[in-house]
Amino acid sequence: DADVTQTPRNRITKTGKRIMLECSQTKGHDRMYWYRQDPGLGLRLIYYSFDVKDINKGEISDGYSVSRQAQAKFSLSLESAIPNQTALYFCATSDSSLAGVSDTQYFGPGTRLTVL
Amino acid sequence: AQSVTQLGSHVSVSEGALVLLRCNYSSSVPPYLFWYVQYPNQGLQLLLKYTTGATLVKGINGFEAEFKKSETSFHLTKPSAHMSDAAEYFCAVSDSGAGSYQLTFGKGTKLSVIP
Repeated sequence: DADVTQTPRNRITKTGKRIMLECSQTKGHDRMYWYRQDPGLGLRLIYYSFDVKDINKGEISDGYSVSRQAQAKFSLSLESAIPNQTALYFCATSDSSLAGVSDTQYFGPGTRLTVL
Repeated sequence: AQSVTQLGSHVSVSEGALVLLRCNYSSSVPPYLFWYVQYPNQGLQLLLKYTTGATLVKGINGFEAEFKKSETSFHLTKPSAHMSDAAEYFCAVSDSGAGSYQLTFGKGTKLSVIP
């Protein structure tokens, strides 16, 4: 079974709709991240969370919100989706006990979101 | 602030030929450096990483990379390309120490392998 799972894997929605993307992990990691990937732009950080009560904005947080429901679950919401939010979204996790030593992020399979 | 430059958004090599994917970074503190690979319709998988110690790092699937501080580079190589290496490759940098969670990615290099 995959350590980091994302649901749904694909989603098509319309402008103005509210969308939630979910991420779950079984790695026991405390840190979780949301990225978006656009062709030719690489990955950009949207939000990250160091634990359930610690949530931080990333490089491109406008138009997004997140919820850390438990250590293992981190959801990304688009309150009112717009076409330029069409992208591939990735969740990632890391272990803070390795921070400053070997901080590796492990990625989920991604959610392809299309906003019409 | 960190940045990563990957030279060439698309690289083509013949099967059996040398693979060389270039990555240059800028960082105000000693960096941690990563290469990730993304196969079609999949997430990112760690190929290798440099944190401290030996500057030549070996990863999975026969890939390796060398950290050259003087050139601020971390190029990825593989002596002999295989068809299964066709994928997109991302170089990433983070600060060592307390800022190590913050990865900055390059824009990616798509590798094609020609039979």
